Amino acid sequence: GENVEQHPSTLSVQEGDSAVIKCTYSDSASNYFPWYKQELGKGPQLIIDIRSNVGEKKDQRIAVTLNKTAKHFSLHITETQPEDSAVYFCAASSANAGKSTFGDGTTLTVKP
Amino acid sequence: DSGVTQTPKHLITATGQRVTLRCSPRSGDLSVYWYQQSLDQGLQFLIQYYNGEERAKGNILERFSAQQFPDLHSELNLSSLELGDSALYFCASSPHAGAGQETQYFGPGTRLLVL
Repeated sequence: GENVEQHPSTLSVQEGDSAVIKCTYSDSASNYFPWYKQELGKGPQLIIDIRSNVGEKKDQRIAVTLNKTAKHFSLHITETQPEDSAVYFCAASSANAGKSTFGDGTTLTVKP
Repeated sequence: DSGVTQTPKHLITATGQRVTLRCSPRSGDLSVYWYQQSLDQGLQFLIQYYNGEERAKGNILERFSAQQFPDLHSELNLSSLELGDSALYFCASSPHAGAGQETQYFGPGTRLLVL
C-alpha cells in the first residue's frame, strides 16, 4: 500500500520567515495530494490540494509543488504569521487505493 | 466550522467496556470516514461508508465496527476496549464516493480515554 513520509516533524520559524514542509510517497499511481491544517483542539481542515496534472498551485501565502518523477511534494508558507502555528498533514491517494494515506504531521511554531 | 458534528466530545471509560461514537456529516455529503489519531501515529484511516454501504477499509481492528444509517449519520462502535485505544477519533465527510480524491471535511473529534 501507499506510504507517506513527512519531514520535519517539528519546525520553528520567526514571524515573517518562510516555512517548507516536505512529503514523499511510494505509490506511483497516487494522483491527489491534499494538505490539512489542524489547530489545537480542532479537526484537520484542508488548506490546499494539488492533482498530478499540475506541478504547482498557489493560494495567497500558501503554495504546493509536486515532483511526480521524484514522488515528492512540498508545502510552502511565505510571510508566516503566529496564526499559522498548527500541525500540518500531507496526504496522498489514488483512485485504485480508494483512500487517503496521511503523513505523520509537522508541528509548525511561528514565533512573534 | 466544517458542518460535521461528532458526539460525545469526551469519553472516559474502563478497559473491557464498549462505547459508541456518533457522527453527522455535512448536509448533502454521502460519504463518511473514520480516523484514529494517536499521539505517535498521526491520522490512521479506519473505514469509509458511502450512502450506507462500506466503501473502503483501513487498519480497523476486529473489535471495532461502524455503520451508516439511512439518514447518513454514522456510528463507530469500539468494544473490549484496551488502554491503547485511547486516542482522538475523527469523522470526516465528503460529497461523493471520494476514493480518496475529494476534499474531506473533518469534525471536531471525540477524545476517548480508556482507564
